[in-house]
Amino acid sequence: NAGVMQNPRHLVRRRGQEARLRCSPMKGHSHVYWYRQLPEEGLKFMVYLQKENIIDESGMPKERFSAEFPKEGPSILRIQQVVRGDSAAYFCASSRGTGSTGELFFGEGSRLTVL
Amino acid sequence: AQSVTQLGSHVSVSEGALVLLRCNYSSSVPPYLFWYVQYPNQGLQLLLKYTSAATLVKGINGFEAEFKKSETSFHLTKPSAHMSDAAEYFCAVIVNAGNMLTFGGGTRLMVKP
Repeated sequence: NAGVMQNPRHLVRRRGQEARLRCSPMKGHSHVYWYRQLPEEGLKFMVYLQKENIIDESGMPKERFSAEFPKEGPSILRIQQVVRGDSAAYFCASSRGTGSTGELFFGEGSRLTVL
Repeated sequence: AQSVTQLGSHVSVSEGALVLLRCNYSSSVPPYLFWYVQYPNQGLQLLLKYTSAATLVKGINGFEAEFKKSETSFHLTKPSAHMSDAAEYFCAVIVNAGNMLTFGGGTRLMVKP
C-alpha cells in the first residue's frame, strides 16, 4: 500500500493520559501536514512539517500538543494530558513538495476518544 | 488571509438530479482551489483542482467546477446524482504553492432514491 498510513485508526484515552498518533507519508513525499476534524466541523490545519523541521505550527494549540517528523520513521502528533475536547479525528496528509501546488494525499485518520 | 465559505452545510437531492455545491473564496491574489470528498470513516480524496489554467475543471466521478473570478466562486456540479455520491464535500484554497490548504466547513450531500 503506497498511500498515507496512519495508526492507530482508533484510540481511546482517559483524561490526563497521553495520545500518540503516527503518520507515514506516501513514498517519495517529504512534507507532512496534520489536520483536526471536530464532530460536524471541517478540517482545521494544525501543523506542517518537513523532515526534522517544523515549517508552520500556527494551528497547534499552545499547550499539550507537539509534532515531529524525524529523519527516520513516521511523523508523530503527541497530545499530553488529554481532555474531552481533544476528542476528534486527526488526519495526516503528505505532499511531494512545494512544487505540488497543494495536492495533498490524506490518510484515513486517527479517531481519538477521550473518556 | 485566504478563506473559503461553503454555503449550505447539508444538501439533499434526488437520484438523477443536478448536484450543485457552493464555494466562495476570499483572496487578494489568484488562488489555487480544490474540492475534496470524504466518505464515511475515510480520509479525503481529491476530486479536482484549479491552478490558473482552464476555468472549467473536470474531476473524477463526473464532477466539475468552474472558477469565476468576478464572483469569487468555485462551485462544484454534477449533472446527475448517483447514490454513491452521498458524502461530505470540502472546498479548499491555497494561495502560495506549497503552503497548507485552508478548508471550508464542508457540505454533506444526501442523495434520495
